[in-house]
Amino acid sequence: DAMVIQNPRYQVTQFGKPVTLSCSQTLNHNVMYWYQQKSSQAPKLLFHYYDKDFNNEADTPDNFQSRRPNTSFCFLDIRSPGLGDAAMYLCATSRGTGLSYEQYFGPGTRLTVT
Amino acid sequence: AQSVTQLDSQVPVFEEAPVELRCNYSSSVSVYLFWYVQYPNQGLQLLLKYLSGSTLVKGINGFEAEFNKSQTSFHLRKPSVHISDTAEYFCAVSDLEGAQKLVFGQGTRLTINP
Repeated sequence: DAMVIQNPRYQVTQFGKPVTLSCSQTLNHNVMYWYQQKSSQAPKLLFHYYDKDFNNEADTPDNFQSRRPNTSFCFLDIRSPGLGDAAMYLCATSRGTGLSYEQYFGPGTRLTVT
Repeated sequence: AQSVTQLDSQVPVFEEAPVELRCNYSSSVSVYLFWYVQYPNQGLQLLLKYLSGSTLVKGINGFEAEFNKSQTSFHLRKPSVHISDTAEYFCAVSDLEGAQKLVFGQGTRLTINP
């Protein structure tokens, strides 16, 4: 089945130690999004790629970066994780155009910072 | 800019009772409207969406929602809930163009009691 895959599902990192989260898709969608969801809160968009074009949200900290080496893969890099970065990180994809618009979400990666 | 308000943070109901989860939105432009469900430690799954046409939208798992433009509301309903409906429900809006970024409400935790 076509889907959005996130690895790992659970990630533990130390304060200040760089960490990379991975997302892949078999949907061949143009747009890939990264959301941060803290406990009992709504998902908050960090940034997205429309094809190769990177679009950062205005309030996304510089500590968060992303790479999209090809259509299928997108990575979230946290350069120096702080305790406040502990959250569920959700990857989503969409075609980006047309009335069939819908975002498809992966299962998420839960990040713990010790 | 768009915003979404979910009027109830928690809704407890008994099994087989009807339920309504309320959602109001604010936007200066036309929007698409969505309801997503999130089960514990999982990603978001689309329940239903309003893009255009009939204001009554039917989704998966017996849920439906009605778009009311004059009241800027998009309330979610189910006539008879089951234990398996226990989850977090998010209302969201997106604009019609570009990458169609989602703006989520704070979520409503639906708890079904036997």
